[in-house]
Amino acid sequence: KAGVTQTPRYLIKTRGQQVTLSCSPISGHRSVSWYQQTPGQGLQFLFEYFSETQRNKGNFPGRFSGRQFSNSRSEMNVSTLELGDSALYLCASSLARGRFLETQYFGPGTRLLVL
Amino acid sequence: ILNVEQSPQSLHVQEGDSTNFTCSFPSSNFYALHWYRWETAKSPEALFVMTLNGDEKKKGRISATLNTKEGYSYLYIKGSQPEDSATYLCASRGNDYKLSFGAGTTVTVRA
Repeated sequence: KAGVTQTPRYLIKTRGQQVTLSCSPISGHRSVSWYQQTPGQGLQFLFEYFSETQRNKGNFPGRFSGRQFSNSRSEMNVSTLELGDSALYLCASSLARGRFLETQYFGPGTRLLVL
Repeated sequence: ILNVEQSPQSLHVQEGDSTNFTCSFPSSNFYALHWYRWETAKSPEALFVMTLNGDEKKKGRISATLNTKEGYSYLYIKGSQPEDSATYLCASRGNDYKLSFGAGTTVTVRA
C-alpha cells in the first residue's frame, strides 16, 4: 500500500504571498490531519478533515485554511505569508474508525521557507 | 490543547547500552498516549498507542509504560543500536480528540 504523499516537498515563497500544500492519504483512510513543526517546537496541530468536513481545529490564525476532497485528498492553504510561517508542514492520515486509539500515518512533509 | 513535555531534549548513548526517557502529560481528560519514532529524512513512524494505566507495550528492543494517574510514560531502549538514532515523539490525545505532541527526545547512539 502506498504511504501518505505530500507535494511539493520544498517551497520558497516571499512574504505576503499565498501557498497551497497537498496531501494524498493512504488508500481507504478518510481522516487527514495537518501539523506544523518549527525549530525547537513539537508538532502543532492545525486541523483535521474527515469526509470533506473540518472536524477539529488548532489555535492558528484564519490565514491557515484547508479542505478535503471526495477522494480524501486534502489541501492546506496559507494566505499572506509571514516569515514565521517558515516550517515543516506534515500531514497524517488515519482510518478514523476507533478515533481515540487510532494511529496516524505521516507523510514526508513539505518544507516551506518564507523570505 | 494539552501540554506535553519530554525530557531530556537529547541524549547520547553508547552502542549496546540501554536508555530511557520520559513523556509527561496532564492526567485529566486523558484518552490515549502515542509514541512515534522520527528518523532523519523520513516520516514519523508509529511505535505504540496506550490507553490504560499500567499498560506496557513492546516492539523488539523498545518498550513503553504508561501511568495515567500521575501523567507520565517512559520509553525504554534496550541494547541501543545505531539504527535506534532518531527523535522519539510522544503525543497525548484528550477528550477533544486533538493530538498534542511533545518536542521530542533526540537519541544518538554512538558506535
